[in-house]
Amino acid sequence: DGGITQSPKYLFRKEGQNVTLSCEQNLNHDAMYWYRQDPGQGLRLIYYSQIVNDFQKGDIAEGYSVSREKKESFPLTVTSAQKNPTAFYLCASSPGQGPTDTQYFGPGTRLTVL
Amino acid sequence: AQKITQTQPGMFVQEKEAVTLDCTYDTSDPSYGLFWYKQPSSGEMIFLIYQGSYDQQNATEGRYSLNFQKARKSANLVISASQLGDSAMYFCAMREGAYPRLAFGKGNQVVVIP
Repeated sequence: DGGITQSPKYLFRKEGQNVTLSCEQNLNHDAMYWYRQDPGQGLRLIYYSQIVNDFQKGDIAEGYSVSREKKESFPLTVTSAQKNPTAFYLCASSPGQGPTDTQYFGPGTRLTVL
Repeated sequence: AQKITQTQPGMFVQEKEAVTLDCTYDTSDPSYGLFWYKQPSSGEMIFLIYQGSYDQQNATEGRYSLNFQKARKSANLVISASQLGDSAMYFCAMREGAYPRLAFGKGNQVVVIP
């Protein structure tokens, strides 16, 4: 079955620690994205990548970092510089980058800072 | 300025009835895509339906249809014959031109009652 997997489902972090969220897709999509969702809100774009070894900042990139070494994988690191990291994180992918390309989402990772 | 506006309060819908969820958008780009997603309590964002700005006909996908009124910048979702499994948050989103971000509204809560 083709799809997007994210792990872990739940993640707890102490203040001052970096954590990495995993995102893998087997849809052969070129583009991948990371979004953040806060309670009662829609999603906001953190980072996106259109091809391997290339990625761009989204609207709220401060305190986050990413890599894209393989087409299938787009991990997100939440660094200690992120002031309010407790949120629901969703990874997505799309075949291309145009306005007609649907973004498909993974199941999400819920991060809680203790 | 907000790109996507969803202002309806939470809705209770009788099983087997139709429900309409309102969405208005704001863009000056002639090329854009409009998307509806469903988010059940599990958190996953599930793609439902897409409408392109140049599409002449309203999109339909099974029990979902999109009432696209371009001049009014409106893209309402209609769910016909509601089922208990339709209980979820519903998000309207837009992608403009070449920019990869999906701009999301704040969502509509729908609860289907037997």
